[in-house]
Amino acid sequence: QVQLQESGPGLVKPSETLSLTCTVSGGSISSFYWSWIRQPPGKGLEWIGYMYHSAGPNHNPSLKSRVTISIDTSRNQFSLNLSSVTAADTAVYYCARHTPGGARLPFDFWGQGILVTVSS
Amino acid sequence: EIVLTQSPGTLSLSPGERATLSCRASQSVSSSYLAWYQQKPGQAPRLLISGASSRATGTPDRFSGSGSGTDFTLTISRLEPEDFAVYYCQQYGSSPWTFGQGTKVEIK
Repeated sequence: QVQLQESGPGLVKPSETLSLTCTVSGGSISSFYWSWIRQPPGKGLEWIGYMYHSAGPNHNPSLKSRVTISIDTSRNQFSLNLSSVTAADTAVYYCARHTPGGARLPFDFWGQGILVTVSS
Repeated sequence: EIVLTQSPGTLSLSPGERATLSCRASQSVSSSYLAWYQQKPGQAPRLLISGASSRATGTPDRFSGSGSGTDFTLTISRLEPEDFAVYYCQQYGSSPWTFGQGTKVEIK
């Protein structure tokens, strides 16, 4: 059974960079597409971007150039960096796996989520 | 980007009743690349339906999806106590992938 676990700081200061890691167990990270998704408290879901080990990432244009997603196949991890954060970036951040077969597929496995609060 | 609008915002029903949830897209969703998720408080979303109508592994057959183009529906034939939750639709045919704002199914 595939398991995903997000890790990183729960509190980030405004204007700094939010950095999260998703550790995948129970399967190889190289075989699938992986995404980051976030959910502000009490609100809906927003897709941030996806990564595949042998292709460039794709991210939501709404986040402009603030997003960097990378993958470390040796550690079976992928990461999210979101720069210049503001209070609007406060959310639960999820990592998720795309259903086998490509990027244009829904998310079948999710991490439990990590709450990141942006505050001084 | 494709905007998904879900209705109603909240559905108040009793166990055993039928629930009908709507998801309307601002433009056609290619190849029915439309999914439905269930989310309970404090939990990650769970995939229920993909390809507009295909149940994901483990999804009970009381859940069914239908629709194409811009209009999609999730139907729960008879609500069980564990079905009271928030439901999201998501399109994955056109980047950026987008979600609807959710429909809460609550106990009446």
